[in-house]
Amino acid sequence: NAGVTQTPKFQVLKTGQSMTLQCAQDMNHNSMYWYRQDPGMGLRLIYYSASEGTTDKGEVPNGYNVSRLNKREFSLRLESAAPSQTSVYFCASSGWDGTDTQYFGPGTRLTVL
Amino acid sequence: QKEVEQNSGPLSVPEGAIASLNCTYSDRVSQSFFWYRQYSGKSPELIMSIYSNGDKEDGRFTAQLNKASQYVSLLIRDSQPSDSATYLCAVRNQGGKLIFGQGTELSVKP
Repeated sequence: NAGVTQTPKFQVLKTGQSMTLQCAQDMNHNSMYWYRQDPGMGLRLIYYSASEGTTDKGEVPNGYNVSRLNKREFSLRLESAAPSQTSVYFCASSGWDGTDTQYFGPGTRLTVL
Repeated sequence: QKEVEQNSGPLSVPEGAIASLNCTYSDRVSQSFFWYRQYSGKSPELIMSIYSNGDKEDGRFTAQLNKASQYVSLLIRDSQPSDSATYLCAVRNQGGKLIFGQGTELSVKP
């Protein structure tokens, strides 16, 4: 049981390049989330998916797109990376187990030059 | 006003002392409150959740909730150096989203 996995762990991009961050969970959770974490800013929600086939914007969606490929997988795409998108990105998932706990992946550290 | 506010710290306590971490929130109708611990370079992990007013204890950790004052706190008794981490307060708002505070860095000195 791997929990929430993310790839890649590290990535360096040049301004204008595109990339997709991958996330998968094996806990049969309905809900999945993408956050970014910047120093002094806490975790900010980019997009979330309450169930397979649905996605919705969070607090900071500009410059990102998402795809809920199936119940297990939720990807985040940067179409044209900007230095302001330099951050640590966390994927999380949750299911109703009585606690509404979100479980986080190990994170992707992205640098945009 | 931020939706969820914490003192960023760092908060430094000696080993064996009680560490007190505080959090205020602005959405009066929030019903679910969480404390996450994040070690440097790692992902957040849930340590406590609380849904009703009062205290909730789990081992050395006690979460306290006061909805009238819109205040939630985390007490760590007998603090250990291994408790040194950033503690994130999170509140589920009226829209159902989890809103995080900026985190409080705790340092426990041997």
